Amino acid sequence: EPEVTQTPSHQVTQMGQEVILRCVPISNHLYFYWYRQILGQKVEFLVSFYNNEISEKSEIFDDQFSVERPDGSNFTLKIRSTKLEDSAMYFCASRNPDRANTEAFFGQGTRLTVV
Amino acid sequence: GQNIDQPTEMTATEGAIVQINCTYQTSGFNGLFWYQQHAGEAPTFLSYNVLDGLEEKGRFSSFLSRSKGYSYLLLKELQMKDSASYLCAVRAQPAAGNKLTFGGGTRVLVKP
Repeated sequence: EPEVTQTPSHQVTQMGQEVILRCVPISNHLYFYWYRQILGQKVEFLVSFYNNEISEKSEIFDDQFSVERPDGSNFTLKIRSTKLEDSAMYFCASRNPDRANTEAFFGQGTRLTVV
Repeated sequence: GQNIDQPTEMTATEGAIVQINCTYQTSGFNGLFWYQQHAGEAPTFLSYNVLDGLEEKGRFSSFLSRSKGYSYLLLKELQMKDSASYLCAVRAQPAAGNKLTFGGGTRVLVKP
């Protein structure tokens, strides 16, 4: 069964450092998302991406965040200068818009720890 | 704004039935989703409702009332592996990206 894959599964970084979280969405999906979940809290939307551009972003997704689809398979989230409060589980998700009202499929997540 | 409420935690016995309620107030509505999330893992899709009524999928059923801003997830014949968090999420309109807004999740503990 096709799945969304994310790497790395766990990343520890020092405050102020740049991190890149990587995702390979399901191959025939066209909508891509990043969500985050701070430990013990709800899943929060960060950004959606379609047709090589951001279609929507939340207040969390400020200038420190960026997304890119560098090739036909990868979808990355970059945090330029990490802060302690960026520590969270980051989930990538993808969706197939060809079928009406389909669900988003989530990757296993990257646990980011900023120290 | 978007507001989605669900109970924090529920406990039930193996073999029993549990109903998890979700109420929402959103600017627009284009579907309600239920996801299951085991600790430290990704949310996995359980069910989707966009019209009023009941959707049944094996041991899991989900109900929606759009006029009341209300949904529930019904888990029947509970198994130990059903111990997890259950997330209610709404897709609101207008939203070019069709993002999901999640509730805080309901942690269900199934006891023998």
